[in-house]
Amino acid sequence: DSGVTQTPKHLITATGQRVTLRCSPRSGDLSVYWYQQSLDQGLQFLIQYYNGEERAKGNILERFSAQQFPDLHSELNLSSLELGDSALYFCASSVDWYTEAFFGQGTRLTVV
Amino acid sequence: GQQVMQIPQYQHVQEGEDFTTYCNSSTTLSNIQWYKQRPGGHPVFLIQLVKSGEVKKQKRLTFQFGEAKKNSSLHITATQTTDVGTYFCAGPNAGGTSYGKLTFGQGTILTVHP
Repeated sequence: DSGVTQTPKHLITATGQRVTLRCSPRSGDLSVYWYQQSLDQGLQFLIQYYNGEERAKGNILERFSAQQFPDLHSELNLSSLELGDSALYFCASSVDWYTEAFFGQGTRLTVV
Repeated sequence: GQQVMQIPQYQHVQEGEDFTTYCNSSTTLSNIQWYKQRPGGHPVFLIQLVKSGEVKKQKRLTFQFGEAKKNSSLHITATQTTDVGTYFCAGPNAGGTSYGKLTFGQGTILTVHP
């Protein structure tokens, strides 16, 4: 158990819908990352927050947004969903940007 | 921006053979991290290398960080079926507009035939 909790584990939704993925980082970790992993693909960096502020942004679509709350949990919002958004979405946390990251179990999103 | 390339993409070995995956960054890294993702699982941190030329061992796994801190390798001696999975290297971006971004290589998928 990495200590990072992601909910839900599975999500099936229709095209055009909006979903929210939730992540609770390890206790004491200030940095939260979001990654997208499509079938047999690598880990595509979406966004990183540190202590409530956005620190780095990857190739995140405009339909996607995220935030980190004062209690350090984070949410990734995906809207106007398309079939191609079907993927595993991982959240990871670390003490700081240069330290090792601990991953949650992931949320498997299926858009039908 | 920073790019991290990893080769090979796939590696099939017979149990008992050795395995090596290589990682190259377009920029100098403050450190290099290695992760393993078992099929159906999530990436799990293996090790972090910080110093130029550093070598670390974990049982049958040997990790190296290049002198220029732009490349790294993971070598597994005498693979076992439990080594199956995808091995990723990752490097944090230490500057520029992507400060803090942890960039992963594409990963090497290792299969081990018994």
